[in-house]
Amino acid sequence: NAGVTQTPKFRVLKTGQSMTLLCAQDMNHEYMYWYRQDPGMGLRLIHYSVGEGTTAKGEVPDGYNVSRLKKQNFLLGLESAAPSQTSVYFCASSYLAPPSDTQYFGPGTRLTVL
Amino acid sequence: GDSVTQMEGPVTLSEEAFLTINCTYTATGYPSLFWYVQYPGEGLQLLLKATKADDKGSNKGFEATYRKETTSFHLEKGSVQVSDSAVYFCALSDNYGQNFVFGPGTRLSVLP
Repeated sequence: NAGVTQTPKFRVLKTGQSMTLLCAQDMNHEYMYWYRQDPGMGLRLIHYSVGEGTTAKGEVPDGYNVSRLKKQNFLLGLESAAPSQTSVYFCASSYLAPPSDTQYFGPGTRLTVL
Repeated sequence: GDSVTQMEGPVTLSEEAFLTINCTYTATGYPSLFWYVQYPGEGLQLLLKATKADDKGSNKGFEATYRKETTSFHLEKGSVQVSDSAVYFCALSDNYGQNFVFGPGTRLSVLP
């Protein structure tokens, strides 16, 4: 039981490049979330999903797209990376919506956009 | 919109000292409140939670009470250990999993 895993752990991009971050969970969770963590700002919700095939916007969705084609995977895409997207990205999952269930977080992906 | 405010860090304490990290919130409705802890190089872990007014969440010696009248959820521990050194986040959520708001985090360093 690996919990929530994120790939890659680190990445450096140039402005305008694209990439996809993968989040995988093996707990059969319905809900999955993508957050970004910036210094002094805590975590901010980018997008979330309440089940396979569904996605919804969070607080800061601009510049990101997501897909949930399989229940266990939640992908975060950057089509044209910008320096403002330099951040640490965390994925989380839960079986039920908070507060009925706990969110389990992955270890994070540190992304630098030059 | 909803928001969470935490005391500025970093907080540096000696081992066995008393810890308080202040957290206040603004929200519509009746949110649930959480404290998460992030150890170096790791993701966040739920430390404790409270889902209604006057509830007390507790775990690993940490406690926090949901105070609706003061819109606060302060984290306390009677005797900290070096292993408690981490960043602590206060957070709130609505009850539908669609609005989860985190505070900026407070870094705690405990010295032996």
